[in-house]
Amino acid sequence: NAGVTQTPKFQVLKTGQSMTLQCAQDMNHNSMYWYRQDPGMGLRLIYYSASEGTTDKGEVPNGYNVSRLNKREFSLRLESAAPSQTSVYFCASKLAGEVYEQYFGPGTRLTVT
Amino acid sequence: KNEVEQSPQNLTAQEGEFITINCSYSVGISALHWLQQHPGGGIVSLFMLSSGKKKHGRLIATINIQEKHSSLHITASHPRDSAVYICAVKPSNYGGSQGNLIFGKGTKLSVKP
Repeated sequence: NAGVTQTPKFQVLKTGQSMTLQCAQDMNHNSMYWYRQDPGMGLRLIYYSASEGTTDKGEVPNGYNVSRLNKREFSLRLESAAPSQTSVYFCASKLAGEVYEQYFGPGTRLTVT
Repeated sequence: KNEVEQSPQNLTAQEGEFITINCSYSVGISALHWLQQHPGGGIVSLFMLSSGKKKHGRLIATINIQEKHSSLHITASHPRDSAVYICAVKPSNYGGSQGNLIFGKGTKLSVKP
């Protein structure tokens, strides 16, 4: 099993450009999450998908959109990148239910100039 | 005030030392997680606990629900333990929860040979 994979690993964008971060998991997990990690702050939830076909906003959704393409894939789109979106983005997934832990992808380091 | 506070922020230890990292939280929770973020950026789950104590190898995690406090201990520390250790809680009364976590800012541990 590859676990949770993310592409790309690194990306540099100019202000106003758009891009999509891809996430896929092969563990048959129901729930998937997108987080951002900034220096001096804890991980913050951008969007999550409790199951295929549903998505919900997290703590910091502004400037982002998501698509739960199928059970395996959950993508994060920046329509018009801003320097404030410079961050490391992590995707995570888990089985439904409170007793299960989240599994994280390797992260995408995004710089917006 | 952050809902999840970790201390210390940074910790340097000599190989072999006993290490304690603390986590305090201010909300009612159904579970607490300890995660490890490697220098390369990857995040793995170490423990999930809702009461008492768990042990895995040289790592021990304890939680006191009444005091809203958890500790992560590392016995006989080794340079390979150098990482950021992150505490995260799952609030017990979180609207539309679906397993959403609140993360601490992390404790950066460096173990010197």
